[in-house]
Amino acid sequence: QQPVQSPQAVILREGEDAVINCSSSKALYSVHWYRQKHGEAPVFLMILLKGGEQKGHEKISASFNEKKQQSSLYLTASQLSYSGTYFCGTERRAGKSTFGDGTTLTVKP
Amino acid sequence: DTGVSQDPRHKITKRGQNVTFRCDPISEHNRLYWYRQTLGQGPEFLTYFQNEAQLEKSRLLSDRFSAERPKGSFSTLEIQRTEQGDSAMYLCASLEDSYNEQFFGPGTRLTVL
Repeated sequence: QQPVQSPQAVILREGEDAVINCSSSKALYSVHWYRQKHGEAPVFLMILLKGGEQKGHEKISASFNEKKQQSSLYLTASQLSYSGTYFCGTERRAGKSTFGDGTTLTVKP
Repeated sequence: DTGVSQDPRHKITKRGQNVTFRCDPISEHNRLYWYRQTLGQGPEFLTYFQNEAQLEKSRLLSDRFSAERPKGSFSTLEIQRTEQGDSAMYLCASLEDSYNEQFFGPGTRLTVL
């Protein structure tokens, strides 16, 4: 079952913050986040396995809610290099990953 | 180690032909995944291997698709009797169980004429 990502697209000015959400109708084993730039392969950002978990660093972090059905990716003080499409990948059990349709982030000077 | 590699990077074929793609994962990675990605969509799961064992295959795939990982190292994905709807980017990713981080290869872009 494909996770639902929101918003589909967001446009920011440098220095602004963004939140990208990823939701599932059922509890997940894990959620992982990737960034993909045009014409390139997805690049792993982080994985969350535990309900209530938060990880990352000051600029890019993510959370996983207690029910393990929703995750959010936080981009703080965005930089031009943050532009790209962000995907969440989810696992209902270890092994098969199902990806959302992505959120396109554009950071303007 | 230079990461996951895929060959070829681009393939143009005529409808009805068979094509085979190769993926070389990072050497110590025991899990290997194949995905298909079309423009504006996220990667779509096709199949994955734990060492040489194919543990799951998407029900979306027809029998025209087959994948192997004979010695638990490189993998091949074959598409028989290609159709125009098979045109997409085919991505391979590998992962080592302890770290859960998927490393993607650059992909093979397939165009079926």
